[in-house]
Amino acid sequence: DAKTTQPNSMESNEEEPVHLPCNHSTISGTDYIHWYRQLPSQGPEYVIHGLTSNVNNRMASLAIAEDRKSSTLILHRATLRDAAVYYCILRDVKGSQGNLIFGKGTKLSVKP
Amino acid sequence: ETGVTQSPTHLIKTRGQQVTLRCSSQSGHNTVSWYQQALGQGPQFIFQYYREEENGRGNFPPRFSGLQFPNYSSELNVNALELDDSALYLCASSSPLGRVNTEAFFGQGTRLTVV
Repeated sequence: DAKTTQPNSMESNEEEPVHLPCNHSTISGTDYIHWYRQLPSQGPEYVIHGLTSNVNNRMASLAIAEDRKSSTLILHRATLRDAAVYYCILRDVKGSQGNLIFGKGTKLSVKP
Repeated sequence: ETGVTQSPTHLIKTRGQQVTLRCSSQSGHNTVSWYQQALGQGPQFIFQYYREEENGRGNFPPRFSGLQFPNYSSELNVNALELDDSALYLCASSSPLGRVNTEAFFGQGTRLTVV
C-alpha cells in the first residue's frame, strides 16, 4: 500500500468547518482512499472512503483532487466529539489482504 | 447487529509470561485482523484470519500467534512477553475478505502492560 502524508496536528473551533489534508503522491489507479478516526481511549472507526469522485456521508465529506495525489476530509461543523486522531489510508483493490496500514495521523483538537 | 468486543479490557503481565486476548467479531463478518498500537503511534498490523486460517502477517515474530474459531471469533496469543509488548491490542472485523471498498469495524482494544 502506498504511503500518505498528513500534518501532525490541527486545531479548530467548535461549530466551524475543518479541512484535514492528506498527500498521497504515489497513489496508484486502483488505490481507494480511506479515512478512519480514533477518539481517545477507543478503537479506530471508519469515517469515509472514495476512489475518484467526491463523497459525502452523515459524518463527513471527502474531496479528492483531480490527479488523486491529495485528498481532504471535511467536517462541516466540528463538535467537541470530533476531537480525535484522523488517519488517511490507501488500500489497493488488487491482491490486498484487507489489512490497513496506519501512519501517525493528524491529531485534531476542537476548542469550545 | 452486535459490534466487535474484546476481552479483557486491561491486563498486567510479567515479562516472560504468556497472554491470550480474545475478540468476538461483528455479526456476519468472517475476517478478523489484529493490530498493536504503541503509545503515540498508529496501529500496526499483526495478522489476519479468514475462515479459521491465517491470511496475512505483518512484521511480528512467531511468538505472536492466533486462532480463529468456526463462529469467527479469534484469539491473539503472545508468548515470552517483553516489556516492548506493552501496547493497546486492537481487533477488527470485516467482510468479505479483500474487499477494500468496505469498512473495518474495530473493538475498543485490550490494554496490555508488561512489567
